[in-house]
Amino acid sequence: SQQGEEDPQALSIQEGENATMNCSYKTSINNLQWYRQNSGRGLVHLILIRSNEREKHSGRLRVTLDTSKKSSSLLITASRAADTASYFCATGLSGGSYIPTFGRGTSLIVHP
Amino acid sequence: DVKVTQSSRYLVKRTGEKVFLECVQDMDHENMFWYRQDPGLGLRLIYFSYDVKMKEKGDIPEGYSVSREKKERFSLILESASTNQTSMYLCASSSRTGWNTEAFFGQGTRLTVV
Repeated sequence: SQQGEEDPQALSIQEGENATMNCSYKTSINNLQWYRQNSGRGLVHLILIRSNEREKHSGRLRVTLDTSKKSSSLLITASRAADTASYFCATGLSGGSYIPTFGRGTSLIVHP
Repeated sequence: DVKVTQSSRYLVKRTGEKVFLECVQDMDHENMFWYRQDPGLGLRLIYFSYDVKMKEKGDIPEGYSVSREKKERFSLILESASTNQTSMYLCASSSRTGWNTEAFFGQGTRLTVV
C-alpha cells in the first residue's frame, strides 16, 4: 500500500521559476523524506523533516510539514534545467524499524 | 563515499528462467529493501530484511523470494521469470539506529523478460 501521494503528477516550468510539489499521507509518521530520481537511475535523498518540525531549508529547497493535514510540500526556488527529475516523498512506518514507503512521484521538467 | 551496488544495470532473461538480482552495500546497514518501479505506479516494496537471515514480505512479494546470508548482501530471486516481471528493480539500505535515517539506493536494474 502506498502511504504518500504526490501532487501534481507532472509539472512543467521555465528555468528561474519556482516549483512546488505536494505530498499527502495517511497514517502517523516519525519523519517525512523527499527523494529525487534522475531518469533511469536510483533515488537520491534530498531532505528529511521530523514530525515535530514545521519547515526546513536546504539550499534552494524548502520543505514544510503539516501533521494536522497529513501533508508536506517541497519548494524548489529559482529552478534550473538540471532540476529536471522525478521527486518522491517517503514516509516511514511508525512502531518499528524505518521502512520507506513511496508515492508515485511528481515528474518535473524545467525548460531552459 | 557510501555505496549500494546492484550487480547489473540491464538484464534480459527468458520466460521461465530463474533470475538472481544482487545488491551489496558497504555501510554496515541493518535494513535492506527491494522495490520495483513501473510507470504510473511508483515504487512498490517487494521484500525487506532487518538482519542477516531475516526477511519480511512487502506489498507485492508474489513470484519473488529473497536471500540475506551476509549483512552486506541482499539478493532478489525470481523463481520463474514471467513477462509481467519486466520492470526496474531498485535496492536500498538504511541504518536501523534511530528513527530519522535516510535510505540509500543502488542505480537500479532494468530487467526485461522475453
